[in-house]
Amino acid sequence: SAVISQKPSRDICQRGTSLTIQCQVDSQVTMMFWYRQQPGQSLTLIATANQGSEATYESGFVIDKFPISRPNLTFSTLTVSNMSPEDSSIYLCSVSAGIGTYEQYFGPGTRLTVT
Amino acid sequence: GQQLNQSPQSMFIQEGEDVSMNCTSSSIFNTWLWYKQDPGEGPVLLIALYKAGELTSNGRLTAQFGITRKDSFLNISASIPSDVGIYFCAGQLISGTYKYIFGTGTRLKVLA
Repeated sequence: SAVISQKPSRDICQRGTSLTIQCQVDSQVTMMFWYRQQPGQSLTLIATANQGSEATYESGFVIDKFPISRPNLTFSTLTVSNMSPEDSSIYLCSVSAGIGTYEQYFGPGTRLTVT
Repeated sequence: GQQLNQSPQSMFIQEGEDVSMNCTSSSIFNTWLWYKQDPGEGPVLLIALYKAGELTSNGRLTAQFGITRKDSFLNISASIPSDVGIYFCAGQLISGTYKYIFGTGTRLKVLA
């Protein structure tokens, strides 16, 4: 499986600011996704990061709040904008290797605390 | 909205015991994935299931895709302390897509 890294691993931010999280994969992958995991909760899909086009957002998530970029097949960023304490969560990048497989692999996550 | 219920929510077991957990839903799924998440880490894929009735093993772990396609089961045999963590199931909502919904998680604690 692909090796996935995320930066930063954790951060403490003030409300009203923005944080950009990076996801880097060691090989080209077809699909990249961003998930949120609120404290003590399960994982919720935020969006699918599409290479060269706008991300596809799930219900309840909007581009203005969570802008996503994916300039190539190995890299993506998620920005959490105008943060509030409710945005305190773990943000996870995941990838799927390609056609014919629906397995998803996760990065180590970015633990965000908003004060 | 669609929901995946995992049971039990948490469990304490003695080292060496077998563990069973399951995921149920009112919806039909085409693929099931089982993950383990350690504190401070991302989920690690344990087993993938693609066909109703399929039984797949990965070491001491065995998972089954329920016949009705609405449920899945994970068994861990002869548990060891490093089995501690949170186990999540994930169901593929629509065949041919990469969208999954995740279960509520089962927190496993193993007593040495």
